[in-house]
Amino acid sequence: RKEVEQDPGPFNVPEGATVAFNCTYSNSASQSFFWYRQDCRKEPKLLMSVYSSGNEDGRFTAQLNRASQYISLLIRDSKLSDSATYLCVVNTNAGKSTFGDGTTLTVKP
Amino acid sequence: EAGVAQSPRYKIIEKRQSVAFWCNPISGHATLYWYQQILGQGPKLLIQFQNNGVVDDSQLPKDRFSAERLKGVDSTLKIQPAKLEDSAVYLCASSPWGDRGETQYFGPGTRLLVL
Repeated sequence: RKEVEQDPGPFNVPEGATVAFNCTYSNSASQSFFWYRQDCRKEPKLLMSVYSSGNEDGRFTAQLNRASQYISLLIRDSKLSDSATYLCVVNTNAGKSTFGDGTTLTVKP
Repeated sequence: EAGVAQSPRYKIIEKRQSVAFWCNPISGHATLYWYQQILGQGPKLLIQFQNNGVVDDSQLPKDRFSAERLKGVDSTLKIQPAKLEDSAVYLCASSPWGDRGETQYFGPGTRLLVL
């Protein structure tokens, strides 16, 4: 079993749709959680950190459920420019990062 | 602020040949990471440096891969000899201290094709 698991998708949604991605992790000692975005043939870039109380950044909302060991990302009012691969990242207390294999989103007109 | 620099951007070699990649992190960043990203997968950590010391190299195939960061700034990753399964994008990233809550800043990567 992988340490960090994501549904690979692809998710194909129309513009304006709401879409949600989930990610599960196996290491209960994990301390920090992130969502990174990776465009085709580009490097990953931080989208947002995920806090225990949940957090929002514009159209993006991230949630953490420590008891069930999963994090989620909700995108509202999808734009064409949201098309990318979304990587779930989990850090241990020592700062070691484990990336999921990503979920691919395609937003269509 | 200049980002993470990597070179070369592309490399094609034959199996059993050697190859080296170079990374220059963001100025002042103490922590440097090398990742391998195979097509369709997420980045896999190969090695993590804190200044010029190794923090984690548990997933580095040490029989063929080596990395160094001699002066605590730039770093090189070498593969010798290369295998077909080493075809991947090699990403370098840096962060200020390597703390668990820090953002990692990635370079553009080096695309390696082993024939």
